[in-house]
Amino acid sequence: NAGVTQTPKFQVLKTGQSMTLQCAQDMNHNSMYWYRQDPGMGLRLIYYSASEGTTDKGEVPNGYNVSRLNKREFSLRLESAAPSQTSVYFCASTWTGTQYFGPGTRLTVL
Amino acid sequence: AQKVTQAQTEISVVEKEDVTLDCVYETRDTTYYLFWYKQPPSGELVFLIRRNSFDEQNEISGRYSWNFQKSTSSFNFTITASQVVDSAVYFCALSEEKTSGSRLTFGEGTQLTVNP
Repeated sequence: NAGVTQTPKFQVLKTGQSMTLQCAQDMNHNSMYWYRQDPGMGLRLIYYSASEGTTDKGEVPNGYNVSRLNKREFSLRLESAAPSQTSVYFCASTWTGTQYFGPGTRLTVL
Repeated sequence: AQKVTQAQTEISVVEKEDVTLDCVYETRDTTYYLFWYKQPPSGELVFLIRRNSFDEQNEISGRYSWNFQKSTSSFNFTITASQVVDSAVYFCALSEEKTSGSRLTFGEGTQLTVNP
């Protein structure tokens, strides 16, 4: 039981490049979330998926898209990366109202 | 809109001291949940506790204790006899309950440093 896994752990992009952050959970949770964490700030919600087949915007969705591929997987896509998207990205899933987080992806956009 | 305020940006203590981390929240919901997470230097987020809005009983878990007071909209976290391993960023968070999934609002975090 690996919990919530994220790939990659680190990534460096150039401005304008695209990439997809992958998240998977093996706990059969319905809801999944993407957050970003910037220095000196708490986590801010980008997008979430309450159940397979549904997605909703969070607090800071601009510049991102998501796909809930199946119950296990929830991916976050940056179509055209910008330096302002340099951050640590966390995926989470929910069981009985408590969110459990993956280890994070540290993304740098040059 | 929901808001969580952790007014203490950084706290530094000496090992074995007690330390309290403050958390004040704002919400219009009558049903909500409050959380504390720990983020050690390794970067992962570790769940510590969840409290629902109808349960104001204080909770103790080993050296950790939590004081929830609805009258002051506070959910404070105390570490007794602090240890170096307690050094981390601690986040308080508030969850609104929606049929379409629970969304967490985080405070900005308190960096706790426990010195030997």
